Amino acid sequence: SAVISQKPSRDICQRGTSLTIQCQVDSQVTMMFWYRQQPGQSLTLIATANQGSEATYESGFVIDKFPISRPNLTFSTLTVSNMSPEDSSIYLCSVEQGSNYGYTFGSGTRLTVV
Amino acid sequence: KNQVEQSPQSLIILEGKNCTLQCNYTVSPFSNLRWYKQDTGRGPVSLTIMTFSENTKSNGRYTATLDADTKQSSLHITASQLSDSASYICVVKKTSYDKVIFGPGTSLSVIP
Repeated sequence: SAVISQKPSRDICQRGTSLTIQCQVDSQVTMMFWYRQQPGQSLTLIATANQGSEATYESGFVIDKFPISRPNLTFSTLTVSNMSPEDSSIYLCSVEQGSNYGYTFGSGTRLTVV
Repeated sequence: KNQVEQSPQSLIILEGKNCTLQCNYTVSPFSNLRWYKQDTGRGPVSLTIMTFSENTKSNGRYTATLDADTKQSSLHITASQLSDSASYICVVKKTSYDKVIFGPGTSLSVIP
């Protein structure tokens, strides 16, 4: 299965600033997924990042708040913009290599906004 | 309405004991069901994935069962170890082209 390198692993940020999270995959994948996991909760899909087109956002998530880049088939970034303490969460990227295989997740970025 | 429910919400067991985690789903149609283990502060790691026609699948001390008729799955952990302490998440996929639906997870603590 694919190996994903996600960074940073954690960060503490001031409110009003932005943080960009990077995910690098060791193989080419069509779609990459970005999730948020709030404390004590399960994963919530933010958006699906496709190479060569705009990301598809889920209900409740907008591009101005979570801009995504997907410059090629092995890399994607998620930016958390104008952060507030409510954005404190774990953010994860993920890929799926065929519907009969499970998802592979990055190790996550633990974000704390103060 | 939750389409994937898990029980118990949390569980504490003694090291060496067995335990079984439950997953009930209402997702239809159904493509596959996956169990993931998520250590605190880390990304989920796949344990098993079962399609509609599979009833059981093992991965070391982890054995997953699936009853597609009753829409129930279980994850049995044998001879638990301290390293099994984690959140276990049941994930269901409708069809090959659909996104997955995550259950809320069961938090397992294995104590000496």
